[in-house]
Amino acid sequence: GESVGLHLPTLSVQEGDNSIINCAYSNSASDYFIWYKQESGKGPQFIIDIRSNMDKRQGQRVTVLLNKTVKHLSLQIAATQPGDSAVYFCAEIGTSYDKVIFGPGTSLSVIP
Amino acid sequence: EAQVTQNPRYLITVTGKKLTVTCSQNMNHEYMSWYRQDPGLGLRQIYYSMNVEVTDKGDVPEGYKVSRKEKRNFPLILESPSPNQTSLYFCASSLSGLRNEQYFGPGTRLTVT
Repeated sequence: GESVGLHLPTLSVQEGDNSIINCAYSNSASDYFIWYKQESGKGPQFIIDIRSNMDKRQGQRVTVLLNKTVKHLSLQIAATQPGDSAVYFCAEIGTSYDKVIFGPGTSLSVIP
Repeated sequence: EAQVTQNPRYLITVTGKKLTVTCSQNMNHEYMSWYRQDPGLGLRQIYYSMNVEVTDKGDVPEGYKVSRKEKRNFPLILESPSPNQTSLYFCASSLSGLRNEQYFGPGTRLTVT
């Protein structure tokens, strides 16, 4: 498969444990945030999004937390499974521009 | 099946030889975009298109061209490729913009020697 990046932060978790992946975003004017999952050899896949008027949003087995004070975003994955092994990255979009900024990503490795 | 397709998936070429990477979506999406992905830099937007005949520069447009003559197709053109354009390229589409879910293609690995 395609290598998505070198020198990525790596997180290793035991199957069944919860995972927390963090992202520091850059622009205080950003008002919409997205988490993507990228498996080896594939394009990014949308996981969950959150708008700046929210602090928390839950999906199926995933929760995104937004802390605007410190410009921090986190993705929590409950009961991590081997199929969750991938690179995860956040993206931010601002109110005054129709541009997107992606974070460099974190590689999640699930230990069976 | 709803999807974004890209061709070719892999390409090795030489400096200066014009090439086109095709992108097609079958979801009737208005918004389409090209990104490049490089180690340690994350995805960076090259060009995007809000609709047919409407295109605009992203963050790294130098050395690239695009066109949007039909809603479903958004080819990326490298008129004179250079080694610094060696990268992994992704096309994406969404219903109407960045605040709708973007669907990404499988990627094109380009090597320019």
